Amino acid sequence: RKEVEQDPGPFNVPEGATVAFNCTYSNSASQSFFWYRQDCRKEPKLLMSVYSSGNEDGRFTAQLNRASQYISLLIRDSKLSDSATYLCVVTVAGTYKYIFGTGTRLKVLA
Amino acid sequence: DAGITQSPRHKVTETGTPVTLRCHQTENHRYMYWYRQDPGHGLRLIHYSYGVKDTDKGEVSDGYSVSRSKTEDFLLTLESATSSQTSVYFCAISPTGDTGELFFGEGSRLTVL
Repeated sequence: RKEVEQDPGPFNVPEGATVAFNCTYSNSASQSFFWYRQDCRKEPKLLMSVYSSGNEDGRFTAQLNRASQYISLLIRDSKLSDSATYLCVVTVAGTYKYIFGTGTRLKVLA
Repeated sequence: DAGITQSPRHKVTETGTPVTLRCHQTENHRYMYWYRQDPGHGLRLIHYSYGVKDTDKGEVSDGYSVSRSKTEDFLLTLESATSSQTSVYFCAISPTGDTGELFFGEGSRLTVL
């Protein structure tokens, strides 16, 4: 079993739709959580960190459920420019490793 | 953007030849990482460094070695390249190694024929 698992998609949604991605992690010692965005043939870039209390950045909301060991990303009012691959990232306490999920591909359609 | 430079950005080589990829940073971050990215596998950690001369293996380290003799440079070496090492390689840096943002270079595309 992979340490960090995501549904690969693709998710094809119309502009203006709300879409949610989930990510599960297997190590209960996981410490920090992030969502990264990767455009085609580009490097990943931080979208947002995920905090225990949940956090929001404009149209993006991230949630963490430690008991069930999953994190989620909600995108409201999808834009064409949101089309990308979204990567779930986890670090484990006591290591210096950032572990990536395989990514979920989103395509927003006009 | 974080100051990370990878070289070369593109390389085509033949099976059995040695290859070295270089990652250079100007941020003075302590932690540096090499990942490879392949379709269906996402980003997988090859090796990482937590200080000068301090390195450790990631999940896919076989066939790769690394060296870090200066804070700013982290080298990835394929001693004898194989076709299975055809991939996109990303270098990344972090100021904290666990809680902080990971900054990526633009990637190096390696093709082994």
